[in-house]
Amino acid sequence: GEDVEQSLFLSVREGDSSVINCTYTDSSSTYLYWYKQEPGAGLQLLTYIFSNMDMKQDQRLTVLLNKKDKHLSLRIADTQTGDSAIYFCAESINDMRFGAGTRLTVKP
Amino acid sequence: DVKVTQSSRYLVKRTGEKVFLECVQDMDHENMFWYRQDPGLGLRLIYFSYDVKMKEKGDIPEGYSVSREKKERFSLILESASTNQTSMYLCASSSTSAGHYGYTFGSGTRLTVV
Repeated sequence: GEDVEQSLFLSVREGDSSVINCTYTDSSSTYLYWYKQEPGAGLQLLTYIFSNMDMKQDQRLTVLLNKKDKHLSLRIADTQTGDSAIYFCAESINDMRFGAGTRLTVKP
Repeated sequence: DVKVTQSSRYLVKRTGEKVFLECVQDMDHENMFWYRQDPGLGLRLIYFSYDVKMKEKGDIPEGYSVSREKKERFSLILESASTNQTSMYLCASSSTSAGHYGYTFGSGTRLTVV
């Protein structure tokens, strides 16, 4: 995952917004993704954004893409304890490359 | 509900044993992948397959081999297990090699080599 970078930990209080950031290096990436991994489970696709889009919103999730800076973010509004998980950013060109994952902890 | 099924959730094996990890998907996907996941390192690609009987090395193939005799099944083989292969192993499949609509992952196999 060295081509995709994200911070390893984030802690927020229940009800606050969470913002998880990611930088990628390949400007030719066509799709960018966010996956969620709950304890003891595999990765679940949360959302993805095509590279010609700036923003995508899906209920409590907002994805922002800044192609100039190769920066992707995932905002979770009204964060709940059930959102505690590891969140992976990924880019795809010919195959998919994952970041190391950000462990989100939600405190009551 | 589409699925990728990994045969074991937890495995404990001895050093030097030959270990088979099985993965089956029911989505008729051409592409299947094996990753290992380690804390702080994220997911690293071991092997992948674009078709039956076809395999390609990923980033860390050393110490592993794979088999794809049927479209729905992709097996990861540890020829002689070592303690540094203790890890979480994740299988995934997709309809395209770049996974334009995302990969579907199994629940993972946590392998401990003692």
